[in-house]
Amino acid sequence: GAVVSQHPSRVICKSGTSVKIECRSLDFQATTMFWYRQFPKKSLMLMATSNEGSKATYEQGVEKDKFLINHASLTLSTLTVTSAHPEDSSFYICSAGRDTYNEQFFGPGTRLTVL
Amino acid sequence: QKEVEQNSGPLSVPEGAIASLNCTYSDRVSQSFFWYRQYSGKSPELIMSIYSNGDKEDGRFTAQLNKASQYVSLLIRDSQPSDSATYLCAVVLSGGSYIPTFGRGTSLIVHP
Repeated sequence: GAVVSQHPSRVICKSGTSVKIECRSLDFQATTMFWYRQFPKKSLMLMATSNEGSKATYEQGVEKDKFLINHASLTLSTLTVTSAHPEDSSFYICSAGRDTYNEQFFGPGTRLTVL
Repeated sequence: QKEVEQNSGPLSVPEGAIASLNCTYSDRVSQSFFWYRQYSGKSPELIMSIYSNGDKEDGRFTAQLNKASQYVSLLIRDSQPSDSATYLCAVVLSGGSYIPTFGRGTSLIVHP
């Protein structure tokens, strides 16, 4: 199967600090990775699409200077939430695309709580 | 505008029954279709993918695609309480950037 890991699974931080979340495709190369945010009992919200070696494409309304995305290799993408505030508290989920079949495989998610 | 529509539910079925989940999409050039299952507090899990018209079966799951009518459905046979979750439909356009469009999901409750 296609496995995507995400680290950390849970993080609690103080307001104003930055948090980095890693997403790795463990057994396949992912040309494209996606970052989502999901609030309780709400739909997935696509934040950005990242392609290896190029700048991420952000969805409308997502601040690129606040949510920094780096797709350094075909198996690793990182999301850094800079100067986090309580309203950034959410469930952040990455997914990796397997282009041959247009399939996406999700990581287990990172629950961020900003105090 | 790309749209994927699902009834939010909840859809409640008794254990052992067939659960039928439906999804319609607006873009005729959509080529890839997926069903994901998401348990509360967890991330989505891919359970079925379908690319051509007709039925595709995998265990207790059957995906049905009708491109002419622009709908895709998921049947769950012999429903179990462990199937209780939110089911997300996702659609990918052909020739695009592989960015899927997700429906809002249908909540399924299987009661004993």
